[in-house]
Amino acid sequence: DGGITQSPKYLFRKEGQNVTLSCEQNLNHDAMYWYRQDPGQGLRLIYYSQIVNDFQKGDIAEGYSVSREKKESFPLTVTSAQKNPTAFYLCASSRGAGGSYEQYFGPGTRLTVT
Amino acid sequence: DAKTTQPPSMDCAEGRAANLPCNHSTISGNEYVYWYRQIHSQGPQYIIHGLKNNETNEMASLIITEDRKSSTLILPHATLRDTAVYYCIVRAYNAGNMLTFGGGTRLMVKP
Repeated sequence: DGGITQSPKYLFRKEGQNVTLSCEQNLNHDAMYWYRQDPGQGLRLIYYSQIVNDFQKGDIAEGYSVSREKKESFPLTVTSAQKNPTAFYLCASSRGAGGSYEQYFGPGTRLTVT
Repeated sequence: DAKTTQPPSMDCAEGRAANLPCNHSTISGNEYVYWYRQIHSQGPQYIIHGLKNNETNEMASLIITEDRKSSTLILPHATLRDTAVYYCIVRAYNAGNMLTFGGGTRLMVKP
């Protein structure tokens, strides 16, 4: 089956620890995205990547880092510098980065930091 | 990306058509209208998108007014599984980065 996988579904961490969220796609998509969703809110873009070895900051990149060493993988690291890391994190991919390409989303990872 | 306005919530009877409106009065010529939905605690699901013409697929129909300032998503025979938050988004053809999600419309399909 083609799709986007995110693991784990639930993640718990202590404050001050860095944590890396996994995102893998086997759709052969060039572009990948990370969004954050807080309760009752819409999605906000953290980082995006249009091609391998390239990525750009979104609206709320502070306290996050990413890498794009392989086309199918776009891991997100939530660093200790992120002030409010508890949230629902969603990864997406699209065939291209233009506005005519729909984005497909993974199931999300719910991160809780205490 | 142009801003969109949607009603915060709507109800629909099971089996009836659900018509979800979206206002995007500041849309520009190169911006597409996209619809996504999000069922509780899941990732958003792409539904349909269009530029000028009405579009239909296996999930829904998208009706865009001639002046493109508003659109309506139609679920022809709503089921309980269509209960979700529906997001209307406008996005430029050359937008390389993101979908801007607003508050959406919470559709409740009732038996």
